[in-house]
Amino acid sequence: NAGVTQTPKFRVLKTGQSMTLLCAQDMNHEYMYWYRQDPGMGLRLIHYSVGEGTTAKGEVPDGYNVSRLKKQNFLLGLESAAPSQTSVYFCASGDGGFQPQHFGDGTRLSIL
Amino acid sequence: DQQVKQNSPSLSVQEGRISILNCDYTNSMFDYFLWYKKYPAEGPTFLISISSIKDKNEDGRFTVFLNKSAKHLSLHIVPSQPGDSAVYFCAASADSWGKFQFGAGTQVVVTP
Repeated sequence: NAGVTQTPKFRVLKTGQSMTLLCAQDMNHEYMYWYRQDPGMGLRLIHYSVGEGTTAKGEVPDGYNVSRLKKQNFLLGLESAAPSQTSVYFCASGDGGFQPQHFGDGTRLSIL
Repeated sequence: DQQVKQNSPSLSVQEGRISILNCDYTNSMFDYFLWYKKYPAEGPTFLISISSIKDKNEDGRFTVFLNKSAKHLSLHIVPSQPGDSAVYFCAASADSWGKFQFGAGTQVVVTP
């Protein structure tokens, strides 16, 4: 009963490095989301997808790219990491509309 | 520009008493609201929701109240239990894509 799985759980990067965060869901949800959580700011939407092969920008998309090649996977990429991208990243999936989203346990990313 | 605000970062309550968490919003287009609960090192989990056509929704010990004219909602937990110690986020949406705006969260500590 995995639900939403995020890989990796922790990562430390140097400024300028690149990396990809992986999100996998086994609930056959059409919609998937990437958020970041920073102290005092709640969760902010980075990018989202309304189905396989689709992506759209959220509230804070700059510096990130995403891909949804398979329905169950949603990848978040940082091409050139910056210290301002130090955060906890959450992936979520759901049926869209006003339905609740199911979250992974997060990836804690530190950029030095 | 945070459209959803939880002005109390923390709340301490005795076991058995009522916990009242508040959430204010500025966007009058929001018409669906959710509360999530989050434990450390885990992702948020859905708790309860309310649509703008209602002013109250109840689920066991949890009740959410919505005052549209005041753009205010609250979550009541009665009676509070030690397992309720967590961070609570309110979230609001105005569209059909599942895009929610989250508040910064309120840390609840239930003491014996």
